Amino acid sequence: DVKVTQSSRYLVKRTGEKVFLECVQDMDHENMFWYRQDPGLGLRLIYFSYDVKMKEKGDIPEGYSVSREKKERFSLILESASTNQTSMYLCASSGHGTGVNQPQHFGDGTRLSIL
Amino acid sequence: SQQGEEDPQALSIQEGENATMNCSYKTSINNLQWYRQNSGRGLVHLILIRSNEREKHSGRLRVTLDTSKKSSSLLITASRAADTASYFCATDEGANFGNEKLTFGTGTRLTIIP
Repeated sequence: DVKVTQSSRYLVKRTGEKVFLECVQDMDHENMFWYRQDPGLGLRLIYFSYDVKMKEKGDIPEGYSVSREKKERFSLILESASTNQTSMYLCASSGHGTGVNQPQHFGDGTRLSIL
Repeated sequence: SQQGEEDPQALSIQEGENATMNCSYKTSINNLQWYRQNSGRGLVHLILIRSNEREKHSGRLRVTLDTSKKSSSLLITASRAADTASYFCATDEGANFGNEKLTFGTGTRLTIIP
């Protein structure tokens, strides 16, 4: 079974801090994704990566950056945390499809609170 | 931007009854997927239906796709308490080959009453 592991289930940080959220997958997947999930808004894509050192902006990249130095690891960085970034953050991975999306496999999420 | 929109937002039914959730989308797609999310957990993939398919089954799940109406439905038959969860549809952008990006809807919260 695919396992996607997020480094923390709960995290509390202060406004202005630089925050790192880590995600590791063990299935050699090419694609990795970061979403945030807020009540009533569903999942919104922040960034995704289709290969090592490659990244693409999603729908809401402002205030975030990402790093993918190794295939199995995808990091989300909040450059200067703000209270409106309090949210549930979900990481996912998927393999390459041949003309059709592959299912995404999700971690259990990091509930981040910015005080 | 949110492409898939689920309806209803919340649904409560008695155990043993069937549950139907609907999803609408706006642009052409190559495929549509359904996911389940238990409270406080990540999403789990349930089923994928391609744009050239009209119906697909997996155990107690039945998914239909009507590309002319840009809509899909997920039917869970003989519901169980363990089916209590949020259900999301997700679509691709129907664009670039190999583009693995999905757009998720806001979800339907299903509660099964024992």
